[in-house]
Amino acid sequence: DQQVKQNSPSLSVQEGRISILNCDYTNSMFDYFLWYKKYPAEGPTFLISISSIKDKNEDGRFTVFLNKSAKHLSLHIVPSQPGDSAVYFCAASATSGTYKYIFGTGTRLKVLA
Amino acid sequence: NAGVTQTPKFQVLKTGQSMTLQCAQDMNHNSMYWYRQDPGMGLRLIYYSASEGTTDKGEVPNGYNVSRLNKREFSLRLESAAPSQTSVYFCASSEGNFQPQHFGDGTRLSIL
Repeated sequence: DQQVKQNSPSLSVQEGRISILNCDYTNSMFDYFLWYKKYPAEGPTFLISISSIKDKNEDGRFTVFLNKSAKHLSLHIVPSQPGDSAVYFCAASATSGTYKYIFGTGTRLKVLA
Repeated sequence: NAGVTQTPKFQVLKTGQSMTLQCAQDMNHNSMYWYRQDPGMGLRLIYYSASEGTTDKGEVPNGYNVSRLNKREFSLRLESAAPSQTSVYFCASSEGNFQPQHFGDGTRLSIL
């Protein structure tokens, strides 16, 4: 049973437009969420996080939105750049539990020049 | 600034052979993790170490052992490799509880 789901395996967006990557979770105990970016042959790199006490967190071109009632989070990239082309993973954890992060299966973003 | 270093980067083993994957971090992080990534599966936690001297099982620990040698180093051992353990293995570290993790570049392991 996948507790964190990224239902879109891939996404293509024109350069300069908005990229929206989605993530759904099933465990209501999750209260800390992260997004990672991964280039081929490299390890994932941390992008942005959000705690459940917030519904939005912004860092430059990257904004994460959290809808707790829908158990849904999204990553917005504005404007999208060719260098953003990568695989994006969301991850979730329950701070009341152990140190375990559950990762989604990833979405491959391609930004077209 | 090395961050998290994994060795080796690639390895091919025969079924039944043993192997230790090495991981070291230079960020003075307390927590360290081992993940495996398989196609279409995301990253799955094998073992983690919340602090020096402690280790705990993750989602998929069967067939693996770990050692937290000191604060810097966390190794993953396959005692008798099986083809199902063919995967890309990532080591990660973090300052502590629920902090963002820093990943190494992975070890690509093939078991024939």
